Amino acid sequence: DGGITQSPKYLFRKEGQNVTLSCEQNLNHDAMYWYRQDPGQGLRLIYYSQIVNDFQKGDIAEGYSVSREKKESFPLTVTSAQKNPTAFYLCASSIQGFSYNSPLHFGNGTRLTVT
Amino acid sequence: DAKTTQPPSMDCAEGRAANLPCNHSTISGNEYVYWYRQIHSQGPQYIIHGLKNNETNEMASLIITEDRKSSTLILPHATLRDTAVYYCIVRVTSGSRLTFGEGTQLTVNP
Repeated sequence: DGGITQSPKYLFRKEGQNVTLSCEQNLNHDAMYWYRQDPGQGLRLIYYSQIVNDFQKGDIAEGYSVSREKKESFPLTVTSAQKNPTAFYLCASSIQGFSYNSPLHFGNGTRLTVT
Repeated sequence: DAKTTQPPSMDCAEGRAANLPCNHSTISGNEYVYWYRQIHSQGPQYIIHGLKNNETNEMASLIITEDRKSSTLILPHATLRDTAVYYCIVRVTSGSRLTFGEGTQLTVNP
């Protein structure tokens, strides 16, 4: 089945450590995105990539980094500079980027807890 | 992107139609209306989208008013599995990013 795989589902880290969240898609989509969701709130865009080897900051990029070396993969690193890293992280993809009318397809998220 | 306004919560009886409203009074002529839903602790699921004509698919119907300032998502026969947060989003065709607000918590009751 085609889809987006995020792993792991739950992740626990100590404060001060960097952590990388995995996102893989086999939909052959060009564009990929990372969102953050805090309890009872909507989604906020962290980073997005419309094509391989290119990515842009979203609304809350501080303390995060990404790479897009392969079309199917878009890992997110939560660095120690992120002041409130505990959250639900969602990865998404779409056929084409923001320039086109194409729905987003989401993974089932990674819940990160930093203590 | 145009801002959307949705009621924070709604209830619906199982088997009945669920009608979820969304106001987007500042919508521009080239902005699409998208609907997603999110079941607890899962990723959002795409439901439907439209520009100005009403749309229907296997999940739902989307009714957009003639002036495009509001829309209604209709789930024709709601089931308990339709209990979720429903997000209404408007999106231009170019250069914009999907912004999710707080949505409407729909609870389908037996």
